[in-house]
Amino acid sequence: DIQMTQSPSTLSASLGDRVTITCRASQTISSWLAWYQQKPGKAPKLLIYKASSLESGVPSRFSGSGSGTEFTLTISSLQPDDFATYYCQQYNSYSFTFGGGTKVEIK
Amino acid sequence: EVQLVESGGGLVQPGGSLRLSCAASGFTFSRYWMHWVRQPPGKGLVWVARINSNGSGTTYADSAKGRFTISRDNAKTTLYLEMNSLRVEDTAVYYCARVRVSGGWDGFDIWGQGTMVTVSS
Repeated sequence: DIQMTQSPSTLSASLGDRVTITCRASQTISSWLAWYQQKPGKAPKLLIYKASSLESGVPSRFSGSGSGTEFTLTISSLQPDDFATYYCQQYNSYSFTFGGGTKVEIK
Repeated sequence: EVQLVESGGGLVQPGGSLRLSCAASGFTFSRYWMHWVRQPPGKGLVWVARINSNGSGTTYADSAKGRFTISRDNAKTTLYLEMNSLRVEDTAVYYCARVRVSGGWDGFDIWGQGTMVTVSS
């Protein structure tokens, strides 16, 4: 099975900071990667699909990049609503593994 | 409004069974592959199972194989997860989720609110 490794597990940042989260796959997954945001007690929300496509309604400060085994989620200017936990998820041959998550905290 | 609503969670003893339901509305349910995802308390998301649009194809995570069965009733626009031989480590919030694009995978764009399953004696 494909393993997804996210880093860092926790990130402390200030409003307006540029934030980057990395996700590495244990084998190539082309661009079959999605990013989600989850707030406490709530269901996850899709931000990015196919590694770099922005879901409708998601602010343009969110962007995704990468292909193969290395992917990044970037928040260009951190806003109050962005403090949350972020997960990557891969799809390959009917396997749909999530990364371990990155909690973005207020510095 | 496009919506998924889970039900059926609760407290069950180890070795017991539970059937979760996920009622879909606001979209053509029969066109979409559907999934179950769980989240143990304080931990990350874990994919559990998927089913294709007509119910003829299913895939399970290793932790669910042989114990869980995903199914759907397109006439009732409802997704199910039958869970047997439950273990303490199955304790989690269980979410149903819709794939973003019918017939493929572009992530999960619609999620239910989740239903809590607690396995404890």
